[in-house]
Amino acid sequence: ETGVTQTPRHLVMGMTNKKSLKCEQHLGHNAMYWYKQSAKKPLELMFVYSLEERVENNSVPSRFSPECPNSSHLFLHLHTLQPEDSALYLCASSQQTRANTEAFFGQGTRLTVV
Amino acid sequence: DQQVKQNSPSLSVQEGRISILNCDYTNSMFDYFLWYKKYPAEGPTFLISISSIKDKNEDGRFTVFLNKSAKHLSLHIVPSQPGDSAVYFCAASGYGGSQGNLIFGKGTKLSVKP
Repeated sequence: ETGVTQTPRHLVMGMTNKKSLKCEQHLGHNAMYWYKQSAKKPLELMFVYSLEERVENNSVPSRFSPECPNSSHLFLHLHTLQPEDSALYLCASSQQTRANTEAFFGQGTRLTVV
Repeated sequence: DQQVKQNSPSLSVQEGRISILNCDYTNSMFDYFLWYKKYPAEGPTFLISISSIKDKNEDGRFTVFLNKSAKHLSLHIVPSQPGDSAVYFCAASGYGGSQGNLIFGKGTKLSVKP
C-alpha cells in the first residue's frame, strides 16, 4: 500500500453512537492532519499532529477526539455527534520542513449523522 | 473571514483552450501557495505549488502565477483536456505561523468540454 489510506470510506451513525475514523500513511511523513469538508465550505483544518504531538486544535468541539499513537496512524474518535457534523472528513500527511509543505490526502470518510 | 478566496465557483472551457483559475488571499504572512485537484469520491491531490520568492512556476501544462502585491495567484492550464474536469482548490500556508498547515479556498469546479 502507498499513500494515505482512510477507513471506512462511508459511515452512517446515530447521534448516540461512538465510532472512530482511521487514517494510515505510508509516506514516512512526520505530520498528520484532520480536515473537514462541509457542503459549500472550504476545507477546514481540525487537528494537527507533528511528531505525534498535537500542535493545533482549531476550536473543534470535544465530541471530536483525535488520537495519534505513532507517526503512521491517526484516529478521530466520534461521540454524540450532531446532524450538522455530517461531512467529508479528510486525513492528510506531510513532511514538515522549514520552507514549505505539501500535504497528501486520503480519499476521505463520508460521514452521515442521523 | 476567509483568508483564501476563490470567487468563481465554476468555470467551463472548451477542450484545447486555456483554463484560468483565480485565487485571492488576505494574509500577508502566507509564503507558500498550492493548488490541489479533486475528483468526486476522492481526496484532493497535489498539483503544483509556488513559493513567495517566485512569481511563476511551470510544470507541463500547468503554470501558477503569483502577484504578491495584489495578493493574487492564478493557475493556467493549457491546453485544457476533458480529464482536467475536477474541483480545483487553492491553498496557502505560512512559515511563521501554523507551519505546514494549509488554509483552503472553497474551490472552483472546472468543466472542460470536448
